[in-house]
Amino acid sequence: SQQGEEDPQALSIQEGENATMNCSYKTSINNLQWYRQNSGRGLVHLILIRSNEREKHSGRLRVTLDTSKKSSSLLITASRAADTASYFCATDLGDTGRRALTFGSGTRLQVQP
Amino acid sequence: EADIYQTPRYLVIGTGKKITLECSQTMGHDKMYWYQQDPGMELHLIHYSYGVNSTEKGDLSSESTVSRIRTEHFPLTLESARPSHTSQYLCASSEVAGELFFGEGSRLTVL
Repeated sequence: SQQGEEDPQALSIQEGENATMNCSYKTSINNLQWYRQNSGRGLVHLILIRSNEREKHSGRLRVTLDTSKKSSSLLITASRAADTASYFCATDLGDTGRRALTFGSGTRLQVQP
Repeated sequence: EADIYQTPRYLVIGTGKKITLECSQTMGHDKMYWYQQDPGMELHLIHYSYGVNSTEKGDLSSESTVSRIRTEHFPLTLESARPSHTSQYLCASSEVAGELFFGEGSRLTVL
């Protein structure tokens, strides 16, 4: 079964609105990362949050991590049409497990102009 | 911009053909990975490497093979392509711990 699962699977909003995506995972992690993928392209790293951090900001992005609930959320504020993409969370087990990221199923975000 | 390159971007090929998907990075990263992704779906790790002459299979069983003779090069080979191999293949690299840098992907269609 997947280590990371995103919710919702798809999200459609208007420009200017905020978009929130959630990620749940099953085992202890070293860090959690969020990636963006435009249709037909490779993934681009957005932000990394370590297991001892609770919140992190980068521009219009805000990521939270709750290790007790094994969940994370990605908030995009004041969304733009250019934010339309799929967003994936990925967990890094570090030295406690397999040394490669495990990706979730992704949230497809559509921002209407 | 990530300095990791995949070729070809698109490949349509007949059943039974041998194919090699190329992946090169100029960042000097020791770790490299191959992920397989069907359209709109999650990524599945199929191979990874921690350095020259080191390769391991990932979570998803794959009939493909990889080699790591040079740090910058991590090609993936399918000896006999089948329609079930139709997918997008994404190559990535990373430093010891941290973010992955992805190539643009190779979209393979086997007829």
